[in-house]
Amino acid sequence: GENVEQHPSTLSVQEGDSAVIKCTYSDSASNYFPWYKQELGKGPQLIIDIRSNVGEKKDQRIAVTLNKTAKHFSLHITETQPEDSAVYFCAASLGYDKVIFGPGTSLSVIP
Amino acid sequence: GAVVSQHPSRVICKSGTSVKIECRSLDFQATTMFWYRQFPKKSLMLMATSNEGSKATYEQGVEKDKFLINHASLTLSTLTVTSAHPEDSSFYICSARGQAGSTYEQYFGPGTRLTVT
Repeated sequence: GENVEQHPSTLSVQEGDSAVIKCTYSDSASNYFPWYKQELGKGPQLIIDIRSNVGEKKDQRIAVTLNKTAKHFSLHITETQPEDSAVYFCAASLGYDKVIFGPGTSLSVIP
Repeated sequence: GAVVSQHPSRVICKSGTSVKIECRSLDFQATTMFWYRQFPKKSLMLMATSNEGSKATYEQGVEKDKFLINHASLTLSTLTVTSAHPEDSSFYICSARGQAGSTYEQYFGPGTRLTVT
């Protein structure tokens, strides 16, 4: 089955700097890659996603890149703000199949 | 984005009792709902997948007789933890997805904190 790895497990950046989180997946058939943000005590919130027919997607300060050949995808947050501090999960799935989550990255943005 | 609610947000129960958690999609019809369990500082662990009107599909290692899932309508799924024990204490999160063929996206509820004393 699918296995998703995520690095780093913790990340601290200064406010205004960029943050990058990287993930790899094992099943080459996976074609949907969402990213979730989870604040303490809350459910995950979908922040951006990408499908396998696209190499890059951007939404304001957030961008995601996908390299299907290497089976890795990354989340880029630019101009980080304190409110970006949270746990971020990458995930992978095959179409309408279950979504498999990575272990998460705890991001701290230092004012 | 789509809105998913959960009720209750927190529940404390005594060992041996049963607890029901509701998950509702508020502004879309959810043909598929998922139930996850999350331990502190850990990732989400899928427990089961339920399609409206069908029996839930449980992940390996999840006791179907202990975690009863019902998905009776396109907007409501329930998880009942039967004969709860302290080791069942956890954060339970549901997610919902719209009709197959229209979207892959899953939207999550705010979670339910279960404490079994």
